[in-house]
Amino acid sequence: QVQLLQSQDEVKNPGASVRLSCEPSGYAFSVYGISWVRQVRGQVLEWMGWISPRNGRTAYAPKFQNRLSLTTDMSTDTAHMDLKSLQSDDTGIYYCVRDRTNYDASVGDPHWFDPWGPGALITVSS
Amino acid sequence: DIVMTQSPDSLAVSLGETATIYCKSSQSVFFTSNSMNYLAWYQQKPGQPPRLLFHWASTRESEVPDRFTGSGSATDFTLTITNLQADDAAFYYCQQYFDSPYTFGQGTKLELK
Repeated sequence: QVQLLQSQDEVKNPGASVRLSCEPSGYAFSVYGISWVRQVRGQVLEWMGWISPRNGRTAYAPKFQNRLSLTTDMSTDTAHMDLKSLQSDDTGIYYCVRDRTNYDASVGDPHWFDPWGPGALITVSS
Repeated sequence: DIVMTQSPDSLAVSLGETATIYCKSSQSVFFTSNSMNYLAWYQQKPGQPPRLLFHWASTRESEVPDRFTGSGSATDFTLTITNLQADDAAFYYCQQYFDSPYTFGQGTKLELK
């Protein structure tokens, strides 16, 4: 059974950074990509970025380009998301998702998300 | 960015009836090179992460009941749920993966009447 285990909820002050981890199981880590999707304001889903465990390529949504870093650790088959300069509107649930594509993020590469991790709540508040 | 707009924002349907949710993209998500529509549908119940229902607009995931149908092409897509069951009450989202950034609709809340 494919599962994605995510790190725990975090509470951060404005301006701080956060690192989330994602440890998939039930499939070979390099065969699929990993995307990060957040849900904010209760309902809005936003794709943040993608990484290929196979070749290390990344793609970021422009709104996160300057403060998001996605990495993978092939020794532990773990994906990490680092988001810096947190503000209150970053409060939400952050999902690690298995992404259909493990090669690139060009037009024509399919990027649907299945399955989703349980999510980690990031609360940004002073 | 490709903007995805769903309608309605919410709907209430009686058990056994049919629910129809629409999704419109601001530009075509049909890829001529492979003749595929780059659109997915997800279902999200309270306290749970979204669950993939369809990819390629109409390819149903395993374990999704055949009461669920995805259809449409280019910019206009539909999710149809027939013989509505209590378990179908949820939020539904469409998502385009034609081009980065991959974007979602705002969601449609389906309730039982």
